[in-house]
Amino acid sequence: ETGVTQTPRHLVMGMTNKKSLKCEQHLGHNAMYWYKQSAKKPLELMFVYNFKEQTENNSVPSRFSPECPNSSHLFLHLHTLQPEDSALYLCASSQAPDLSSYNEQFFGPGTRLTVL
Amino acid sequence: GESVGLHLPTLSVQEGDNSIINCAYSNSASDYFIWYKQESGKGPQFIIDIRSNMDKRQGQRVTVLLNKTVKHLSLQIAATQPGDSAVYFCAEMVQGAQKLVFGQGTRLTINP
Repeated sequence: ETGVTQTPRHLVMGMTNKKSLKCEQHLGHNAMYWYKQSAKKPLELMFVYNFKEQTENNSVPSRFSPECPNSSHLFLHLHTLQPEDSALYLCASSQAPDLSSYNEQFFGPGTRLTVL
Repeated sequence: GESVGLHLPTLSVQEGDNSIINCAYSNSASDYFIWYKQESGKGPQFIIDIRSNMDKRQGQRVTVLLNKTVKHLSLQIAATQPGDSAVYFCAEMVQGAQKLVFGQGTRLTINP
C-alpha cells in the first residue's frame, strides 16, 4: 500500500449524473494531484494542489471540478461527463516542492470511471 | 513542446533473462527522470529515479541509464521474475516543478 486511498474503485455513471471521486493520503504530504489515464494517451496531469490551494489546472474542462478541503483530502466532482471521459483517474500526493527539490509522488490505486 | 515516448509498446522476455525498456524525451530543460511500474489494478509505483547530473544509477536488480546527448532513458531489469510483469512508464520533471510528464508505457511480459 502506498498510503494513498481512493474511493470508489469503480464507477459507472450516465452523462447527466453528478458524482464525486475521493482521495485521502496518510503520508503527511501537503501536495495532491489528479491524473487521468486513458487507453490511448499517456498519463495526464489534471490538477495540482499545494497546501489546499490549486496551483495548476492543465486545461481541464469545467465538467471536472476539484476540491481540496485540507492537505489530506482531495475530491473530483463530476458533472455532465462525456463517454470519452471514461478512464482511470489517479490521485497522487507528495511533499510540496521547493526550487531545489524533487519530491516523489505516491499514487493511489485509481478509480475506474465509465461514462455511458 | 514537451513529449516523452517509448520505443516499444510491448516486450516479452523469458524468466531469468535481463530486460531493457527504452524511453525518449524531448524537453532539454528536464533534469529529473523517474521510472514507474504499474501492475494491473494498481496505481504507478516508483522504481528508480535519476538526476540529470548522473548518467547511471543502480538499484536492486534495476539500473537506469541516462543519455542527455540523445535525450534517451533506459531501464534495465536483471534476472526478470514473474512479478516484474507490468506496464513501465518513464516520466520527466523540471527541478522545483510538480508537473510530471509521462511516456506512453511499455508492457513487460515475463514468460515462464
